[in-house]
Amino acid sequence: RKEVEQDPGPFNVPEGATVAFNCTYSNSASQSFFWYRQDCRKEPKLLMSVYSSGNEDGRFTAQLNRASQYISLLIRDSKLSDSATYLCVVNRDSWGKLQFGAGTQVVVTP
Amino acid sequence: EAEVAQSPRYKITEKSQAVAFWCDPISGHATLYWYRQILGQGPELLVQFQDESVVDDSQLPKDRFSAERLKGVDSTLKIQPAELGDSAMYLCASRTGMNTEAFFGQGTRLTVV
Repeated sequence: RKEVEQDPGPFNVPEGATVAFNCTYSNSASQSFFWYRQDCRKEPKLLMSVYSSGNEDGRFTAQLNRASQYISLLIRDSKLSDSATYLCVVNRDSWGKLQFGAGTQVVVTP
Repeated sequence: EAEVAQSPRYKITEKSQAVAFWCDPISGHATLYWYRQILGQGPELLVQFQDESVVDDSQLPKDRFSAERLKGVDSTLKIQPAELGDSAMYLCASRTGMNTEAFFGQGTRLTVV
């Protein structure tokens, strides 16, 4: 079993719709969590950190469920520019090892 | 805005040749990572440095790959000899602390022919 698992998608989303997807992690000692966005053939860039209480940044909402060991990302009012691969990232130990999922592809269509 | 610098951006090499990549992290970032990303997959950690020390190289194919960060600043990743399966994007990232954002360079796209 992979340490960080994501549904690869693609999630085909009409413009203006809401899309949500999860990421599960296997190491219960994981300490911090992030969502990164990666455009085709570009480097990953931080979308948002994920806090225990859940957090929101504009149209993006992230949740953490430690009991079930998953994090989620919800995108409201999807824009064409939201089309990308969303990478789940888990800080799995005290040394700061960052473990990436394989990514979830989102395609927003007009 | 400070950024992670990587060079070269693109590299084409023949199999069995040696190849090297360079990374200059954001100033003050003690933690430096090298990742390999194959198209359609997530980045895979190759090596992690804390200052000049290696803290994780468990996934580094040590028979052909080496990495160093001699003065705790910039870093070099080397492959010798290169194999066809090494074709991938090599990403360098840095961060200040464990719960902070990791910043990525633009990567080096390696093609082994």
